[in-house]
Amino acid sequence: AQKITQTQPGMFVQEKEAVTLDCTYDTSDPSYGLFWYKQPSSGEMIFLIYQGSYDQQNATEGRYSLNFQKARKSANLVISASQLGDSAMYFCAMREPDTGGFKTIFGAGTRLFVKA
Amino acid sequence: NAGVTQTPKFRVLKTGQSMTLLCAQDMNHEYMYWYRQDPGMGLRLIHYSVGEGTTAKGEVPDGYNVSRLKKQNFLLGLESAAPSQTSVYFCASSYSRAGGYEQYFGPGTRLTVT
Repeated sequence: AQKITQTQPGMFVQEKEAVTLDCTYDTSDPSYGLFWYKQPSSGEMIFLIYQGSYDQQNATEGRYSLNFQKARKSANLVISASQLGDSAMYFCAMREPDTGGFKTIFGAGTRLFVKA
Repeated sequence: NAGVTQTPKFRVLKTGQSMTLLCAQDMNHEYMYWYRQDPGMGLRLIHYSVGEGTTAKGEVPDGYNVSRLKKQNFLLGLESAAPSQTSVYFCASSYSRAGGYEQYFGPGTRLTVT
């Protein structure tokens, strides 16, 4: 079973508009963390935002916010006021306990295209 | 402060050859990880380590071995390379805290097996 599901292979958004990238996760452990990373065409992985399973409020980092709905096991990324430089692959990831410690699993990603 | 570095950046192997990828970090992180990324796909966890001398299997460990003899280094070995192992390999490191603390990634190693 997929631990992290990103159902949108590609998304288009007009510059300056907001966009939501979907992520659902599956875990039976009450303690976990959710992350979003950005991968531009240059290939590096850039950390964007983090949400802990016990955090009461949604995480925000500048133009990024994480819409955390625990009961629905979703952790959608919202990018406000999109910029051309936001065009990239976006990955949702979950860190959960494992027999060897904590492991982090990534989703398949969503490619975001920002149109001028 | 170099962060996470990977050696080599590119490599071409013939089927059956062996090689070792080296990952080094200078942030004193306890956790280190090896991922592979195939074209158009996300990262899949190969192996990870929670500290010096320890390793654990990830999602796709078959065909790979790892070692963490020093805290700052995490080695990924391919004993007998196969074309299915053609991929971009990323190393990452993080602190050990249960929550929080993102992973810091290396620039990746592009491996082609012919």
